Amino acid sequence: AQKITQTQPGMFVQEKEAVTLDCTYDTSDPSYGLFWYKQPSSGEMIFLIYQGSYDQQNATEGRYSLNFQKARKSANLVISASQLGDSAMYFCAMREAPGANNLFFGTGTRLTVIP
Amino acid sequence: DTEVTQTPKHLVMGMTNKKSLKCEQHMGHRAMYWYKQKAKKPPELMFVYSYEKLSINESVPSRFSPECPNSSLLNLHLHALQPEDSALYLCASSRERGAKNIQYFGAGTRLSVL
Repeated sequence: AQKITQTQPGMFVQEKEAVTLDCTYDTSDPSYGLFWYKQPSSGEMIFLIYQGSYDQQNATEGRYSLNFQKARKSANLVISASQLGDSAMYFCAMREAPGANNLFFGTGTRLTVIP
Repeated sequence: DTEVTQTPKHLVMGMTNKKSLKCEQHMGHRAMYWYKQKAKKPPELMFVYSYEKLSINESVPSRFSPECPNSSLLNLHLHALQPEDSALYLCASSRERGAKNIQYFGAGTRLSVL
């Protein structure tokens, strides 16, 4: 079974609008971490936001927020006030145990921001 | 500062060449990683070094040989590669301990094997 599922291969959003990128995960480990990365065409993987399984609040980092629904095993990324520079590939990833080195990546969602 | 530096940015090599990819970080991280990423796919983990010791080798062919000379440097030595090894090679680093253990990535080396 896939550890991380991203069902949206591509998404379009109008500049200045908000967009939600979906991510569901599968684990039986009670302690895990969820990450979102952005990968522009240049190739660098840029860390955006982290959510721990025991965190009570949804994570936020500037225009990025994570809609964490533990019972549904979903960790959707919300980008507010989209900018042209947000056009990129977005990967959701999971680490299953504290300090574990393996990251399980989803297949990614390509976001295109339309002027 | 969350910078991981990779050199070279681009590399073209023949199947009989020997080349090396380099990765450097100065964040005091004690875990370093090599990933391979094919076009339109997620990164695939190749190797993990923890405190300069190889801790994970994801069944990578022996034509890829990692080396961790010290806590800041990570090399990937390439020899007798195949055209299917053409990909983006990403290096990352993270703290060894802690709940977050965020991996910070470099910009990658785009490798073409002719």
